[in-house]
Amino acid sequence: DAKTTQPTSMDCAEGRAANLPCNHSTISGNEYVYWYRQIHSQGPQYIIHGLKNNETNEMASLIITEDRKSSTLILPHATLRDTAVYYCIVRPNQAGTALIFGKGTTLSVSS
Amino acid sequence: NAGVTQTPKFQVLKTGQSMTLQCAQDMNHEYMSWYRQDPGMGLRLIHYSVGAGITDQGEVPNGYNVSRSTTEDFPLRLLSAAPSQTSVYFCASSPGTSGYNEQFFGPGTRLTVL
Repeated sequence: DAKTTQPTSMDCAEGRAANLPCNHSTISGNEYVYWYRQIHSQGPQYIIHGLKNNETNEMASLIITEDRKSSTLILPHATLRDTAVYYCIVRPNQAGTALIFGKGTTLSVSS
Repeated sequence: NAGVTQTPKFQVLKTGQSMTLQCAQDMNHEYMSWYRQDPGMGLRLIHYSVGAGITDQGEVPNGYNVSRSTTEDFPLRLLSAAPSQTSVYFCASSPGTSGYNEQFFGPGTRLTVL
């Protein structure tokens, strides 16, 4: 399985963009990049996923480099409620393949 | 829609007891799965199902049984609880049969085995 590397923690001011990096240099061609987050004591929440094109939804944007070895999750206008642990996960489109949640990045948004 | 619901929220068991963790979803999702989350170890896949009547093992299936008699329900059974099964258990569901799409997680069941 491809592994991901994320910074342990990041800080962001409320209203500013939060840019969360992820390295996945051993990603395979059939593996997608997923981002989930987990707010304290709650179940993980899906944010976005992509294969090689940049993606945007109502929550965030995902920028994947052309060589697919790294990606960045962008929260355009961070709020206090975005304080959470953010997980970058690579996973193939295959039943029974686990979402492997590593240690993630703890994002702290302050006013 | 209620989404993914799990009961109970908290449970304390004695070693050797059995119990069933309930999971239900009202989104007509084919794919359902069970994870456990332990401190410092992230989430680990226990069992999954790609549709009613079909289940399979994940990474850490020992000590757990599942069944999928309906699309909506995916209970997880602990046959003889052990302290090593103290954990937070999350159920998730996803449209499609591979889990490729967005997975919706329930709020979790916090289990302590004494």
